Amino acid sequence: KNQVEQSPQSLIILEGKNCTLQCNYTVSPFSNLRWYKQDTGRGPVSLTIMTFSENTKSNGRYTATLDADTKQSSLHITASQLSDSASYICVVSDRGSTLGRLYFGRGTQLTVWP
Amino acid sequence: EAGVAQSPRYKIIEKRQSVAFWCNPISGHATLYWYQQILGQGPKLLIQFQNNGVVDDSQLPKDRFSAERLKGVDSTLKIQPAKLEDSAVYLCASSLIRGLVYEQFFGPGTRLTVL
Repeated sequence: KNQVEQSPQSLIILEGKNCTLQCNYTVSPFSNLRWYKQDTGRGPVSLTIMTFSENTKSNGRYTATLDADTKQSSLHITASQLSDSASYICVVSDRGSTLGRLYFGRGTQLTVWP
Repeated sequence: EAGVAQSPRYKIIEKRQSVAFWCNPISGHATLYWYQQILGQGPKLLIQFQNNGVVDDSQLPKDRFSAERLKGVDSTLKIQPAKLEDSAVYLCASSLIRGLVYEQFFGPGTRLTVL
């Protein structure tokens, strides 16, 4: 069964600290993995997209890693800010085209305290 | 570049009533998606259009949900009649190919509360 599991479910950190969010998937075949940030009351916004051949990709203070062999990904946030408070969703696609099905994780709810 | 537009942003109805949501995708995006996101969960695909044709509606509860995309641009999603369990955020997204992958852009969503 194709699934995407995220951990932890929720996380609270202090402003300025780093954190790492985890994503494990069983989707096969695998085309690409995406991390989205979803602020409360807003739609998800793409942070990174990685294909099979990429094992790391950065977007500012966000760095995603991918291990396609173990089917694991992580999202590392450096020097957290209050605006990083959001839900972070891991999404795996089984094909590169629009015919591909996207499998969504439940998300990790991150809260950054001052 | 204007984003995906959705309306209304919020809707409160009683069970057994009908409701409709509207989505205007980013100009030029041929693919349009409707998702249902229940609180605390990731989005679940309801229907996917390629231009005005349906690509995937396998998870759409067709006894009460319907969607159309006239002329391959705007789309409407209708629920008739609504149930309590339909309370959720309904997200519309459109996609564009960037490099080797299709990137999705989401609208702000419509929050539906069924009483």
